[in-house]
Amino acid sequence: AQTVTQSQPEMSVQEAETVTLSCTYDTSESDYYLFWYKQPPSRQMILVIRQEAYKQQNATENRFSVNFQKAAKSFSLKISDSQLGDAAMYFCAYRSPAGGTSYGKLTFGQGTILTVHP
Amino acid sequence: DTAVSQTPKYLVTQMGNDKSIKCEQNLGHDTMYWYKQDSKKFLKIMFSYNNKELIINETVPNRFSPKSPDKAHLNLHINSLELGDSAVYFCASSYDSVSKKFGSGTRLTVV
Repeated sequence: AQTVTQSQPEMSVQEAETVTLSCTYDTSESDYYLFWYKQPPSRQMILVIRQEAYKQQNATENRFSVNFQKAAKSFSLKISDSQLGDAAMYFCAYRSPAGGTSYGKLTFGQGTILTVHP
Repeated sequence: DTAVSQTPKYLVTQMGNDKSIKCEQNLGHDTMYWYKQDSKKFLKIMFSYNNKELIINETVPNRFSPKSPDKAHLNLHINSLELGDSAVYFCASSYDSVSKKFGSGTRLTVV
């Protein structure tokens, strides 16, 4: 079974600065998907970014980018030019390949609470 | 507006009661899920349906029973509620066969 570990329960950053959230995972599969979700106090789960394991290029979405190290099974999220609205809990998640027996379920890490200081 | 909608958003009930949470998606997706987020914010899959067929049933007490009347709806019925059932329950559906759209969650409090 796959596991996802977020070793940083809490992180903080100054507004306009850069912060990196860590995530490691364990799997024996060679093809899979990784995600970062944001959960603000409103509790809505919002997809921030996704990475396909077969792609060597790191995904980017505006101020959000990932550092995907497949051999190390590491998937960190970098938030540049942090904004007050980035304050939330961030979850790393793993998904097995489409069509597999896991039927698309997500396995989540424990979450990291990000505080942004003005 | 295309979305995954859950009702109710908040539910407070006494131990031993039976309650249902409804979920509807108008995205045309074939697969829907229920996730549970516990008091420590940990998220875990409970069930998944694909075209009204149950395809994932994790280790969940049989007091929890999902029902999918059609592929746009996946409801969660809970019998004999216990204090430990207090949590936030999220419905989700898959788009582009990979990513998921989540509902806004239902906070269930059992007293």
